[in-house]
Order: sequence, then structure tokens, then C-alpha cells
Amino acid sequence: AQSVAQPEDQVNVAEGNPLTVKCTYSVSGNPYLFWYVQYPNRGLQFLLKYITGDNLVKGSYGFEAEFNKSQTSFHLKKPSALVSDSALYFCAVREPADRGSTLGRLYFGRGTQLTVWP
Amino acid sequence: DGGITQSPKYLFRKEGQNVTLSCEQNLNHDAMYWYRQDPGQGLRLIYYSQIVNDFQKGDIAEGYSVSREKKESFPLTVTSAQKNPTAFYLCASSPDSGNTIYFGEGSWLTVV
Repeated sequence: AQSVAQPEDQVNVAEGNPLTVKCTYSVSGNPYLFWYVQYPNRGLQFLLKYITGDNLVKGSYGFEAEFNKSQTSFHLKKPSALVSDSALYFCAVREPADRGSTLGRLYFGRGTQLTVWP
Repeated sequence: DGGITQSPKYLFRKEGQNVTLSCEQNLNHDAMYWYRQDPGQGLRLIYYSQIVNDFQKGDIAEGYSVSREKKESFPLTVTSAQKNPTAFYLCASSPDSGNTIYFGEGSWLTVV
């Protein structure tokens, strides 16, 4: 069964400090992994994705994520947090499309609320 | 501007009424999706469509219906059979079923 876990409901960090938002996944085959950000009362915005290749993926707004196959993790990171980074962050995994369907389902974690203190 | 437009942003429904949420995209994407978001539960897939005139149920399709008569439009009807419809509804699309999904700004539905 495919699943995504975000073990922390909330992450608090001081502005200027590095931040990490954790994500682990369970999927058969090679996963497609995504991070999205959601500001209050808004839709989700795409940050970055891992399909294949370099395990360190760089995305929007200075965020990056590291794919670790052995630990089945895809943690989101940023070297220096900004107050404006405060938002709800979702990790998602897409299962590989099987022979019977071209649609790879996207499964979301429950989200992690990031708060950056000035 | 290209994007995904959801309307209305806020909708109030009386018990026993059907309501329809609109979703239009001008990105020329083949696949479209409807998700429901409840606090602390992440996003749950209601329905999805890979091509025009075809759609499949997601994880929580009961009490909902959709149509895909045009490539750019994927309206969601919340029927009176949906017992707890109050939620934030998100429409999304992707160029094909294996690519990144992009979201609209969402619609709030409240039962009064």
C-alpha cells in the first residue's frame, strides 16, 4: 500500500536558522516524490519534485529536498528560514503507473505547519 | 493568464440541496482532479479524469458526481447524499497522468 508520513504536525524555527520538514514514504517501485506549500485559504503551490537522478533536488523559494532511498525519506530543507516561509507543507508520493492504467495516483501526507519566528 | 480557476470561492448549502463547484483550466492539461481537504487529514481524492468524457472514482466519491464534457472543464456536484460536505475543495490538473499536478485556489463549502 502506498502512503506518506509527515511525523511532525508542527515545526517551529527562528528566522535565519536552517529548517527541515520531514517526510517518509511507502510505495512499491520507484516513487515520484513532491513537496507542495499552502498559504491560508489558498490552493497548493508546487515546490519541487524528485523523479530520478540527483538525490538532492532544488526547488522554488530556496527550498531543496533530499531523496534517501534506503531510509525511504524525502525531507524538505532550507538553509536560512524566512518569516514568509510560514505555511502548511505537504509531501506527496505518486505511485508508478502500472500496465493497466496510465494514472499514477498522488498520495498526500497530513501536512506540517511551519512557523518561522522573527 | 494561464491557470486553474475555481468558483465560487465561498458557497453555502442548505441541507438537502445539491450544489456544483466549477473548475476551469486553460493550461491544455489532459488530466483533472478533485480533492477534499479537512483539517489534519491532508487531501483526499474524490474523482479524477484522464481524458474528456471519462472519469473515475477516487477514495471518497460517495455523495459526489462529476462530468468531463470539455477538456478545460471538470465541475463537481456535491449531492444531498454527502452527509458531511463542509470542507475546502481543491481542483487540480496535470499535463498527463504522470506529471506534476497543479492546483486551483480552492472553494469553501459550508452547510447551513
